[in-house]
Amino acid sequence: AQSVTQLGSHVSVSEGALVLLRCNYSSSVPPYLFWYVQYPNQGLQLLLKYTSAATLVKGINGFEAEFKKSETSFHLTKPSAHMSDAAEYFCAVSYGNNRLAFGKGNQVVVIP
Amino acid sequence: DTGVSQNPRHKITKRGQNVTFRCDPISEHNRLYWYRQTLGQGPEFLTYFQNEAQLEKSRLLSDRFSAERPKGSFSTLEIQRTEQGDSAMYLCASGGGTEAFFGQGTRLTVV
Repeated sequence: AQSVTQLGSHVSVSEGALVLLRCNYSSSVPPYLFWYVQYPNQGLQLLLKYTSAATLVKGINGFEAEFKKSETSFHLTKPSAHMSDAAEYFCAVSYGNNRLAFGKGNQVVVIP
Repeated sequence: DTGVSQNPRHKITKRGQNVTFRCDPISEHNRLYWYRQTLGQGPEFLTYFQNEAQLEKSRLLSDRFSAERPKGSFSTLEIQRTEQGDSAMYLCASGGGTEAFFGQGTRLTVV
């Protein structure tokens, strides 16, 4: 079964510092990979997606992620954290029918 | 199109009552999904429709749960004889290509 691992449920980052959220998937076949962001009491908003094109994917709000097949990883980064980045972030995997399997999420706290 | 719409946004019900949620997907999307999200967890897949056909159901979807999508447009998710363990955020998503677009969810509290 497809699965996604996100380590560290809570991540604290200083304003202006690098944001790094790790995601590893378990599959021998490269899946489609996604990062979603969720603000309190809201649905999920797509940040970016990997669908077998370029391995470095740029998304909204200055986020990007790199697909590394050898490491089965799809880590999310942003060079400089902003207060508005405080939210919960989910990595997800699918195999083309939009059915998503999510990780447990990372709650990002931005420290002024 | 304003995106995926879910109603109601919040529902409080007494244990044992039935509840029904509605999802209106993005109009051109033929795929519709229901997920459940409990506190501190990622969303978990419940069921999937392609047009009006329900193609997949998770084992999380017990006999008390039923979903429909008449005419391949909006969808409803009904929970019968609610239990406290049903308290969660219920998310609907629609998609037509490689990505899914989520609604704002319905938060169910069973008291």
